[in-house]
Amino acid sequence: EAQVTQNPRYLITVTGKKLTVTCSQNMNHEYMSWYRQDPGLGLRQIYYSMNVEVTDKGDVPEGYKVSRKEKRNFPLILESPSPNQTSLYFCASSWMLGGGEQYFGPGTRLTVT
Amino acid sequence: QQQVKQSPQSLIVQKGGISIINCAYENTAFDYFPWYQQFPGKGPALLIAIRPDVSEKKEGRFTISFNKSAKQFSLHIMDSQPGDSATYFCAGAQDKFYFGSGTKLNVKP
Repeated sequence: EAQVTQNPRYLITVTGKKLTVTCSQNMNHEYMSWYRQDPGLGLRQIYYSMNVEVTDKGDVPEGYKVSRKEKRNFPLILESPSPNQTSLYFCASSWMLGGGEQYFGPGTRLTVT
Repeated sequence: QQQVKQSPQSLIVQKGGISIINCAYENTAFDYFPWYQQFPGKGPALLIAIRPDVSEKKEGRFTISFNKSAKQFSLHIMDSQPGDSATYFCAGAQDKFYFGSGTKLNVKP
């Protein structure tokens, strides 16, 4: 089954404790992306990757890091989480940069206290 | 500055009615305008999308109308059904994606 998986699905952590949210896709997609979803703000792109070792900032990259060492994986790293990073996070992948259907993962709900 | 503005924030429609959601964009470099549907607890899923060289695209009960000169586009859901109750997001994209703030649609039986 074609899918994007994220782990963990739920995470509660404390300010400053480094965390990683994993994302994996099995569709051999070139393009992967991370979004955060907040009430009234819709989805905002954090980072995206056009291929292995190629990443670029989205609209709200501050406080986040990403890496793309393998085509199927695109982890999101919060090196020092803060309460304003409490949000619902989605990973997505697609064949094309910008212009193709994005397949979204199920989401990771992060709470930073 | 919000690149894509979406309205209304919420919408209540009777079963069988027409649901209309509007979006306006700023960036004329956008070359892809998708609409996503999201059910509670799920990730967004592509519903329908349009390129700026087309003024209308229809897929089943869903239609996108696109007005390039006005920098506006809209989603029309004909014969709305209770199963259409979800949150809808428009977006504009070139390499990066910019989403609207979402419209929560409630179709009453």
